[in-house]
Amino acid sequence: GEDVEQSLFLSVREGDSSVINCTYTDSSSTYLYWYKQEPGAGLQLLTYIFSNMDMKQDQRLTVLLNKKDKHLSLRIADTQTGDSAIYFCAVLNFNKFYFGSGTKLNVKP
Amino acid sequence: GAVVSQHPSRVICKSGTSVKIECRSLDFQATTMFWYRQFPKKSLMLMATSNEGSKATYEQGVEKDKFLINHASLTLSTLTVTSAHPEDSSFYICSASTSGFVDTQYFGPGTRLTVL
Repeated sequence: GEDVEQSLFLSVREGDSSVINCTYTDSSSTYLYWYKQEPGAGLQLLTYIFSNMDMKQDQRLTVLLNKKDKHLSLRIADTQTGDSAIYFCAVLNFNKFYFGSGTKLNVKP
Repeated sequence: GAVVSQHPSRVICKSGTSVKIECRSLDFQATTMFWYRQFPKKSLMLMATSNEGSKATYEQGVEKDKFLINHASLTLSTLTVTSAHPEDSSFYICSASTSGFVDTQYFGPGTRLTVL
């Protein structure tokens, strides 16, 4: 199987950048995802990156992939209080998803 | 579009009873539905994959007689936790896929099960 690890908490001030990190173990993973979960809601797909890319930018979101180190990060620019949520990274490997434990992002006004 | 609902959102039951959780795709037909379980501060663990009209495929270590999955239509899958015990208390999340591939899945909001 695949082990996907994330730190549990991150706290930032409104307007700062947030960087959420994720590591995984299996280099044959094909797609890597970031999901956002707000209280009482399902996981919402934020963005994804294919394993042959090293960066993807989508408005305030930047995904960086270091395949050599098996490290994935999500950078949120100009973090807002509405960004407070739990962020999950997920890795697709042989048509199975492996999720991290989620990072709870707290944005202080 | 692509909304998935779960019912109930939370349930408390006594040990030994059975609990049914419904997962519905509201605005699309779901060829495949997935059931996950999430422990506190742990990742989501895939329990089983169900395709409409056929038996579910369970992941290793998941008891199929304990966690009964039925996918009777393209918009509804149910998970029944039979003879529930306190260790079954968890957050159960379903997802639905239009293509049958896991990379196109849409997640429900989850059901919090507490077994007393």
